[in-house]
Amino acid sequence: AAGVIQSPRHLIKEKRETATLKCYPIPRHDTVYWYQQGPGQDPQFLISFYEKMQSDKGSIPDRFSAQQFSDYHSELNMSSLELGDSALYFCASSQGTGSGYGYTFGSGTRLTVV
Amino acid sequence: AQRVTQPEKLLSVFKGAPVELKCNYSYSGSPELFWYVQYSRQRLQLLLRHISRESIKGFTADLNKGETSFHLKKPFAQEEDSAMYYCALRRYGGSQGNLIFGKGTKLSVKP
Repeated sequence: AAGVIQSPRHLIKEKRETATLKCYPIPRHDTVYWYQQGPGQDPQFLISFYEKMQSDKGSIPDRFSAQQFSDYHSELNMSSLELGDSALYFCASSQGTGSGYGYTFGSGTRLTVV
Repeated sequence: AQRVTQPEKLLSVFKGAPVELKCNYSYSGSPELFWYVQYSRQRLQLLLRHISRESIKGFTADLNKGETSFHLKKPFAQEEDSAMYYCALRRYGGSQGNLIFGKGTKLSVKP
């Protein structure tokens, strides 16, 4: 079965550079969530989209932005990268946002800022 | 405020021993609770949802609203159960369906 696809798997950037992470949800899933997991940390919710509109916002820095496109894939844009942005970035998708709709997580993009 | 607490950062048991990973939550409404497992920094995989009351890989969890707990249990641990386990709470209502995770418990099952 198709899963949530994230690209790239690994990314190395220098400080102050920009990065774009992509997430392709499971077909017919209309909701995308982004999470950041620092080394040895629990996943922290960044932002979510439902039907191409931002549905909720968590601890996403102002340097980051995201959007969901007409084909429901989502991109997380990160600018002025800092060493502390090094983390595993997960995307999850679901069909709807209400109770009973399960999440499926992607394998994540490991971002290293040097 | 919504919060998930996993009091144990590390739990080490021998193969065949019973396991209980604790999870307590605070939530003002009716919560939806999950357990996720993460092997060696791989993707988060759903292990259990309280609303489905199922048993996956021998694990069970019961939501105790009186104690606001959702402890994960397995009667006989296996070495392949070694992983990070995250308890998560979902707040829903309107368009907010994101998960709030606990800090995680690392389970180490020794031979």
